[in-house]
Amino acid sequence: AQKITQTQPGMFVQEKEAVTLDCTYDTSDQSYGLFWYKQPSSGEMIFLIYQGSYDEQNATEGRYSLNFQKARKSANLVISASQLGDSAMYFCAMRGRAGANNLFFGTGTRLTVIP
Amino acid sequence: GAGVSQSPSNKVTEKGKDVELRCDPISGHTALYWYRQSLGQGLEFLIYFQGNSAPDKSGLPSDRFSAERTGGSVSTLTIQRTQQEDSAVYLCASSPPGRLRADGYTFGSGTRLTVV
Repeated sequence: AQKITQTQPGMFVQEKEAVTLDCTYDTSDQSYGLFWYKQPSSGEMIFLIYQGSYDEQNATEGRYSLNFQKARKSANLVISASQLGDSAMYFCAMRGRAGANNLFFGTGTRLTVIP
Repeated sequence: GAGVSQSPSNKVTEKGKDVELRCDPISGHTALYWYRQSLGQGLEFLIYFQGNSAPDKSGLPSDRFSAERTGGSVSTLTIQRTQQEDSAVYLCASSPPGRLRADGYTFGSGTRLTVV
């Protein structure tokens, strides 16, 4: 079964600094996808970045990058140059069993950016 | 529609009553998902509809929970004999046909259910 683990319930980062949010996963599938979502206090879920298991390069989207270490089964999110608007909950997710599209989410990390 | 629409946005109900939550996915999206997010928690998968296939109900927490999807579009999540632990935000999402794309789902804004 798929499992996503986020071990940091809360993180603080100084504005303009970089921060890494940890995510480890467990799956028996060879082909899988990993996603990161942001949930501000308003509640909407905002897609940030995706990493496919066969992608050789780490995914990047603007200030977001994904540090994908397949052998260690980790997919950490790196946010560079943090901004006050980055304060939110961040969820790591993995696609379900091969052929299915449902995502399984971790418990999330609450990031607070300090001015 | 332009996005995933959920109604009502807020629902307060008395313990023991039945409630229905509605989700209208993006037009053309064949896959529809229901999740539950309890206060301060992550998203708990409930049920997944993919086209005309039998739904994946593996996440439903009890037989008080059921969901239907009529005509491959609108879905209704029904909770019977509500309990206080059912209080949560219920999120619906949809995705286009085929393999889940790299941009994942489109989520609705959720229904906040409070059982008193």
